[in-house]
Amino acid sequence: DAGVIQSPRHEVTEMGQEVTLRCKPISGHNSLFWYRQTMMRGLELLIYFNNNVPIDDSGMPEDRFSAKMPNASFSTLKIQPSEPRDSAVYFCASRTRLAGGTTTQYFGPGTRLTVL
Amino acid sequence: AQKITQTQPGMFVQEKEAVTLDCTYDTSDPSYGLFWYKQPSSGEMIFLIYQGSYDQQNATEGRYSLNFQKARKSANLVISASQLGDSAMYFCAMREPANSGNTPLVFGKGTRLSVIA
Repeated sequence: DAGVIQSPRHEVTEMGQEVTLRCKPISGHNSLFWYRQTMMRGLELLIYFNNNVPIDDSGMPEDRFSAKMPNASFSTLKIQPSEPRDSAVYFCASRTRLAGGTTTQYFGPGTRLTVL
Repeated sequence: AQKITQTQPGMFVQEKEAVTLDCTYDTSDPSYGLFWYKQPSSGEMIFLIYQGSYDQQNATEGRYSLNFQKARKSANLVISASQLGDSAMYFCAMREPANSGNTPLVFGKGTRLSVIA
């Protein structure tokens, strides 16, 4: 199993440009989570999907942010237009089952975004 | 209000010694799950250990154990026989209810552990 795949791993862009982050969850997992990590605010949930449907997007900072999950194997997080304060590491996570039957979240490697 | 509190921004431990990383939580739900993740300098988030609120015994995974004190609402991570590779950020997280795999985790601010040779 390849785990959660995110691309790109690093993105440097200029203010005002559109940025698209991509995530491929672990096959068969029906929940996908987008988190953002900054020094000031730590790890914050942006949005999560169950069965490709957005359940809670209250963490999305503003209308410049949007996320889609067109199918079970792909999700995107888009920022348009980007601003320097969007600079952060963006993680995608999908649900995985533990040996005891409960579940936890398995994280992708993250995308480090720098907006100049 | 903070749901997860990690009061130690940074900790130092001598190699081969044990270390305890503190985590307290706030919830009124009788069912909840507590998680610990490790984030090394390379940036990935690595799941370490899980404790359910109804679990009778404290969770253990190799050198990691969870000191779960329900009445005190604490879920401290104990790392035994520290190794240099344990140097990382450690995050405590909670999910309510415990078995709802479709709900997100709430994370603490983390503790940076440095293991000294």
